[in-house]
Amino acid sequence: QVQLQESGPGLVKPSQTLSLTCTVSGGSISSGGYYWSWIRQHPGKGLEWIGYIYYSGSTYYNPSLKSRVTISVDTSKNQFSLKLSSVTAADTAVYYCARETSMIVGYWGQGTLVTVSS
Amino acid sequence: EIVMTQSPATLSVSPGERATLSCRASQSVSSNLAWYQQKPGQAPRLLIYGASTRATGIPARFSGSGSGTEFTLTISSLQSEDFAVYYCQQYNNWPQTFGQGTKLEIK
Repeated sequence: QVQLQESGPGLVKPSQTLSLTCTVSGGSISSGGYYWSWIRQHPGKGLEWIGYIYYSGSTYYNPSLKSRVTISVDTSKNQFSLKLSSVTAADTAVYYCARETSMIVGYWGQGTLVTVSS
Repeated sequence: EIVMTQSPATLSVSPGERATLSCRASQSVSSNLAWYQQKPGQAPRLLIYGASTRATGIPARFSGSGSGTEFTLTISSLQSEDFAVYYCQQYNNWPQTFGQGTKLEIK
């Protein structure tokens, strides 16, 4: 059973860079066939897809966030990471890492709340 | 991007009754539509993909239908554990987009 776990600071100052890591267990990122994604949920709101990475390093980002997002992968650690630059209060959300197959999200991490505040 | 609109925003139904949730896409997404269930403090859980295929382990009381722009999730006989928020998601076009959710509450 694949499990995903987000980690990183729960509080980020405005204009700084939000950095999160997702550790995958129960399966290898390098096995192929899956896309490793970040999705966020603003408090009390719906879901917003941020982007994904394939084990090879290929990425796709939501055009609405593309200028500020970087997703990277470390296959040796079975981890992938999210960096979101120049954050504002509007980036306060629960951030989920997930595994997708054909754009269907089959596995989710438990989510981590990131608050942007000075 | 494709906008997904769910209705109603809140649905009040008694246990044992049927619930019908709707999802509309701003343009055709063929059958590339998934439904997720989210309970408070938890991550969403995949229920349905391909508009009508139940994910592994999902009870038969959950069913999905529709294609193109109109979709429905039906829960045939509500159990206490079914009261949650439900999201639809289109994955026909990049970027994949989600509806704003329907909260299913106990009447």
